[in-house]
Amino acid sequence: QSVLTQPPSVSAAPGQKVTVSCSGTSSDIGSNYVSWYQQFPGTAPRLLIYDNNKRPSGIPDRFSGSKSGTSATLGITGLQTGDEADYYCGTRDSSLSAGFVFGTGTKITVL
Amino acid sequence: QITLKESGPTLVKPTQTLTLTCTLSGLSLSASGVGVGWVRQPPGKALEWLALIYWDADKRYSPSLKSRLTITRDTSKNQVVLRMTNMDPVDTGTYYCTRDILGLGEYFDYWGQGILVTVSS
Repeated sequence: QSVLTQPPSVSAAPGQKVTVSCSGTSSDIGSNYVSWYQQFPGTAPRLLIYDNNKRPSGIPDRFSGSKSGTSATLGITGLQTGDEADYYCGTRDSSLSAGFVFGTGTKITVL
Repeated sequence: QITLKESGPTLVKPTQTLTLTCTLSGLSLSASGVGVGWVRQPPGKALEWLALIYWDADKRYSPSLKSRLTITRDTSKNQVVLRMTNMDPVDTGTYYCTRDILGLGEYFDYWGQGILVTVSS
């Protein structure tokens, strides 16, 4: 069971669009739906996106998700200073262990 | 209102067994498609999934920690307990209890505040 690969950091100016990639394999992202989590320092993660592209109640439509093959992408438009946080992707693992796997995490910095 | 709260020791010695309890409110451990999971995070590092127990009592463990983990539930108390044996300083971190949803996909929609566990002699 491997972790999903994300870039360590991405940055953009306020108002810009930023994307975060999440790369996996055929046994995780390739055969399952992806979720995304936002985490501010010292707090618990919060569900941002589930089932590849659905937003829980209360999550603004500036946040979006997509999946293609064994990769997924989180998009944030109209970047705000309040979006500066760590972001993690996650998905089920359909290998023999059949558990869950998170990404390595990406720090989004608003310039 | 759904809440999850972790409780247990915040300091354990190396080789000891850690026992953490997740007390649930506003959700049933028996609801179809629902589970409870544990996720940990070493200081400054990424999230790591540990274990899951589903509504039908099915259990899943992280392959790398499977030999050290046991997850159980007490439906009468609405609690889920995680035991991790042979604790080591590298196990230091914040441990989160989460509600797991198994539908089209699988995801964690509610999280406890977390409990910081330090492993030190």
